[in-house]
Amino acid sequence: DSGVTQTPKHLITATGQRVTLRCSPRSGDLSVYWYQQSLDQGLQFLIQYYNGEERAKGNILERFSAQQFPDLHSELNLSSLELGDSALYFCASSVAREGGPDTQYFGPGTRLTVL
Amino acid sequence: KNQVEQSPQSLIILEGKNCTLQCNYTVSPFSNLRWYKQDTGRGPVSLTIMTFSENTKSNGRYTATLDADTKQSSLHITASQLSDSASYICVVSGYYGGSQGNLIFGKGTKLSVKP
Repeated sequence: DSGVTQTPKHLITATGQRVTLRCSPRSGDLSVYWYQQSLDQGLQFLIQYYNGEERAKGNILERFSAQQFPDLHSELNLSSLELGDSALYFCASSVAREGGPDTQYFGPGTRLTVL
Repeated sequence: KNQVEQSPQSLIILEGKNCTLQCNYTVSPFSNLRWYKQDTGRGPVSLTIMTFSENTKSNGRYTATLDADTKQSSLHITASQLSDSASYICVVSGYYGGSQGNLIFGKGTKLSVKP
């Protein structure tokens, strides 16, 4: 158990809908990262937050948005869902701000299925 | 273009044998290189993290090497166990000012250890 929690574990929805994925980091970790893993693409970095502020952006679509709240939990919002958005979404947390040589601890993931 | 290439794509070995997984990257500038182990349907678990000044790092039966000149890394697994069956992912981080920069993920090597 990494100490990072994600809810829900599974989510099934229809195209065009909007969903929210939730992540609670390990106690003491200020950085939260979101990743998408689909079968044909492997893991892709989406976005990083540090203590409530956005720090780095990866391959995140404009239909997706995220935020980190004062209690440090984070939410990833996915809207206008398409079939291709079906994937595993992972959240990770770490202590360091700059994402240097620190360990990221991954949550168990949320499996999103868009029908 | 920043890329991380892993080989082989998949590997089957017998329990107790050693194996070496390869990672070549073209990410520049370079900040650090990580190896992750990911069991099917689970979040990745960090094995090693190396900066450009480190050329070897061990974590139990896992030993990673890094040659920053040739932009190559390897992960050596000694005395393999059935529980080593997983995907092993190489991740390279570029350095962009004070932010995490872009994380480039390899597609992974799927290792199967047979009894």
